[in-house]
Amino acid sequence: DAGITQSPRHKVTETGTPVTLRCHQTENHRYMYWYRQDPGHGLRLIHYSYGVKDTDKGEVSDGYSVSRSKTEDFLLTLESATSSQTSVYFCAISDYGSGNTIYFGEGSWLTVV
Amino acid sequence: KQEVTQIPAALSVPEGENLVLNCSFTDSAIYNLQWFRQDPGKGLTSLLLIQSSQREQTSGRLNASLDKSSGRSTLYIAASQPGDSATYLCAVTSGNTPLVFGKGTRLSVIA
Repeated sequence: DAGITQSPRHKVTETGTPVTLRCHQTENHRYMYWYRQDPGHGLRLIHYSYGVKDTDKGEVSDGYSVSRSKTEDFLLTLESATSSQTSVYFCAISDYGSGNTIYFGEGSWLTVV
Repeated sequence: KQEVTQIPAALSVPEGENLVLNCSFTDSAIYNLQWFRQDPGKGLTSLLLIQSSQREQTSGRLNASLDKSSGRSTLYIAASQPGDSATYLCAVTSGNTPLVFGKGTRLSVIA
């Protein structure tokens, strides 16, 4: 299994509070991604990174920010959580972008009440 | 904008049957297509990756085909087993763009 660790794995938070999800990899892969998965919508890309300090927006980036100060860590922040951000969040990594095999973490379940 | 559709959304078959899962995409200018498996409460596991220049890829009882010109791919599972029960997703990329996923087909193999 690819060395990807997501934390926390489960979190319940209140509307309006900030939340940070962490993705940590031990594979030294260049690309890292954050997806959310919702019933009826499938997997949708939030943000991705193609190197340290290099990030770009995905399909559903509103309300989310990311940071990557080290190769191994990619942080996803919800500045002010809303109920619509209740979801399962997956981190993924790949060595050469989408042209090569992509590996997924186990997911982080976030509930905003 | 690339869109990926998977049909059927759910499928239930008796053990031992051969089955086909379908994936279609709207923009044929893809770089590759990947098939994934997702077990309940888990992340995705890559099963097969087909480059745009290839027609098919095989791994064990799995065979994936790609017809880029028609925007279609199929995942063939031979001699299905209860352990094959999972959601299967396909995804495409146009090169440096991140993967675009279908919503998946939920497969149940009944013993």
